[in-house]
Amino acid sequence: KNQVEQSPQSLIILEGKNCTLQCNYTVSPFSNLRWYKQDTGRGPVSLTIMTFSENTKSNGRYTATLDADTKQSSLHITASQLSDSASYICVVRKLQGTALIFGKGTTLSVSS
Amino acid sequence: DAGVIQSPRHEVTEMGQEVTLRCKPISGHDYLFWYRQTMMRGLELLIYFNNNVPIDDSGMPEDRFSAKMPNASFSTLKIQPSEPRDSAVYFCASSEGRDISDTQYFGPGTRLTVL
Repeated sequence: KNQVEQSPQSLIILEGKNCTLQCNYTVSPFSNLRWYKQDTGRGPVSLTIMTFSENTKSNGRYTATLDADTKQSSLHITASQLSDSASYICVVRKLQGTALIFGKGTTLSVSS
Repeated sequence: DAGVIQSPRHEVTEMGQEVTLRCKPISGHDYLFWYRQTMMRGLELLIYFNNNVPIDDSGMPEDRFSAKMPNASFSTLKIQPSEPRDSAVYFCASSEGRDISDTQYFGPGTRLTVL
């Protein structure tokens, strides 16, 4: 069964600290993987997308990595800010068909 | 552009009533998606359209759910009759890409509560 599992489910960190969110998937064959940020009460906003051949991609303080062999992706947030408090959702696209498989997200809380 | 517009933002209704959610996609976007989000199940893709044509409705939970896109600037998601388990946030998203995995722009969502 095609699945996307995210960990941890929730995370609390102090402002200024770094953190890493994990996304493991069993989707096969794989096309691409996207990370979304969803602020409370709003729709998700895309942070980055990674294809099979990409290992690392950065978007400001956000860096996503992908290991297609182990089917793992991570989202690293550097020097966290209060505005990083949100849910982060991993979405995997199957190579064939039209399926988008969503993880349940990691809820990040950044405190001062 | 104003982004994806959804209405209403909040809807409270009683079980058995008909509910209609509305979406206006970003102008020029060829794809339109309807999602449902709950704490238990996260985000689920219900149905998506390409150039106003439904492409995949395999995520629609039951026959009580239906979606239409009569033109490029308007779509509806209807639930009839509604049930308490339909309570969720419903998102509409649109994208201009050639593939469903292209960047989707989400609306603010409609929070539906069925009593």
